[in-house]
Amino acid sequence: SYEVTQPPSVSVSPGQTASITCSGDKLGDKYACWYQQRPGQSPVLVIYQDSKRPSGIPERFSGSNSGNTATLTISGTQAMDEADYYCQAWDSSTYVVFGGGTKLTVL
Amino acid sequence: EVQLVESGGGLVQPGGSLRLSCAASGFTFSSYSMNWVRQVPGKGLEWVSYISSSRSTIYYADSVKGRFTISRDNAKNSLYLQMNSLRAEDTAVYYCAREGIEVAGTTFDHWGQGTLVTVSS
Repeated sequence: SYEVTQPPSVSVSPGQTASITCSGDKLGDKYACWYQQRPGQSPVLVIYQDSKRPSGIPERFSGSNSGNTATLTISGTQAMDEADYYCQAWDSSTYVVFGGGTKLTVL
Repeated sequence: EVQLVESGGGLVQPGGSLRLSCAASGFTFSSYSMNWVRQVPGKGLEWVSYISSSRSTIYYADSVKGRFTISRDNAKNSLYLQMNSLRAEDTAVYYCAREGIEVAGTTFDHWGQGTLVTVSS
């Protein structure tokens, strides 16, 4: 079955750029999306179709997907961006697969 | 405003059954495919099941296949998950999630608040 892998944690200083990766075999041939989940809340879509932002998502969130890696980039990271982030892709064998999640710490 | 409100969670004994519901509002429910996604407290997200807008296509994760049944009633704007033969490892918060349309790839553009299912004796 298809799997995607994320680092368990990423740390960033306020105002700096955070990058969270998601790795999977030929992931660049699929579409990836990203969800933000703050403590005690439901997930929120922040990037879809590799690099598109839903309405209401700040421009500091961006995404890319090439080769075996999709990347979520948060520019000018703010304290409110501290959350868990999950990548997700579609695969014919498993339908939907989520990464294990990355805890972003802003310190 | 899109709203998805889950209900039906609770405490159930191993081997028992539970039926979750998701009431949808703020959009044309019959036009959208829907999914159930679960999350063990403190752990990651796990996709559970998918149903197409017309109910013609249904998928399940291997972990629940043969035990869970997804269904929907477009007239009632409702999504359901019948869970049988429940196991301790099914303990999780269950979210219903709307699948985006006119979007390449599978994307969940709206999520409910979740309902907690606890399987324990």
